[in-house]
Amino acid sequence: QVQLVQSGGGVVQPGKSLRLSCAASGFTFGDYGMHWVRQAPGKGLEWVAFISYDGGNEYYTDSVKGRFTISRDNTNDTLFLQMSSLRTADTAVYYCAKDPYLFVAALRWFDSWGQGTLVTVSS
Amino acid sequence: QSALTQPASVSGSPGQSITLSCTGTSSDIGAYNYVSWYQQHPGRAPMLLIYDVTNRPSGVSSRFSGSKSGNTASLTISGLQAEDEADYYCSSYASTSTLILFGGGTKLTVL
Repeated sequence: QVQLVQSGGGVVQPGKSLRLSCAASGFTFGDYGMHWVRQAPGKGLEWVAFISYDGGNEYYTDSVKGRFTISRDNTNDTLFLQMSSLRTADTAVYYCAKDPYLFVAALRWFDSWGQGTLVTVSS
Repeated sequence: QSALTQPASVSGSPGQSITLSCTGTSSDIGAYNYVSWYQQHPGRAPMLLIYDVTNRPSGVSSRFSGSKSGNTASLTISGLQAEDEADYYCSSYASTSTLILFGGGTKLTVL
C-alpha cells in the first residue's frame, strides 16, 4: 500500500531555512505528481505547492512563492520542500500528499497523505 | 479567512443524518466539478472521503455522499456513528493563482 514517510521538521528561527523530506513507497513514485499541504496550529488546511511527476512543472501558493522550492528525486523516491526566509506565519504541520492520476496532474484532490511534520518558526 | 466557507461546527445524534456545507464562488466550486472532502481526526493526517463532487474512493463507507448546487457543495453523512466525530474539510480546484482551495473546516460532534 502507499506509504509516505516524512522527516525534517523542527524549530527554526525567523529568516532561516529548513528542508522537509517525504519518502514514498508502495507505488511508482516517478509516475505521479506530488503536493505539500500545511496546517497551522488549530487552523485549517492550506495547499502549499505541487510538482509534476517528472519535476517539469511546479506551482506554489502566493504566500510562499520565491521562498519555498518543491523538488523530487525519482531515483530515490523522495519528495522535498526547501523552505527559506521562514516567517512565524509558516509555523504549521506540513503534509506531503499524492496526486491521484498517472502522469497527468489532477490538481484537485489528494489520495494519500504523509503523517505530517511540525515546523515551528520562532526566535 | 479561508477561501471556501464552512460552518465552524455541527452536531448530531447517533443514527441521524447530517449535511455539511461548503460555499465558494463562480471561480471555484461553481465553475468546476472538482470538489473533494476530507476527514481528519485529532493528531492524524486527513483522509479522502469524496472526490470530484460525488465519487467515493474504495474503502470509504457508503454513509458518506457528496453533492453540489451552484457555488455550494455538501457532504452528507447518514447513520451517524461515534467514530464520525472529527473535523471535515472541503476543497476545490480554482482558476486563481492558488490552484487548490480549502475550507476552514467543520468540527462534527456526535452527541
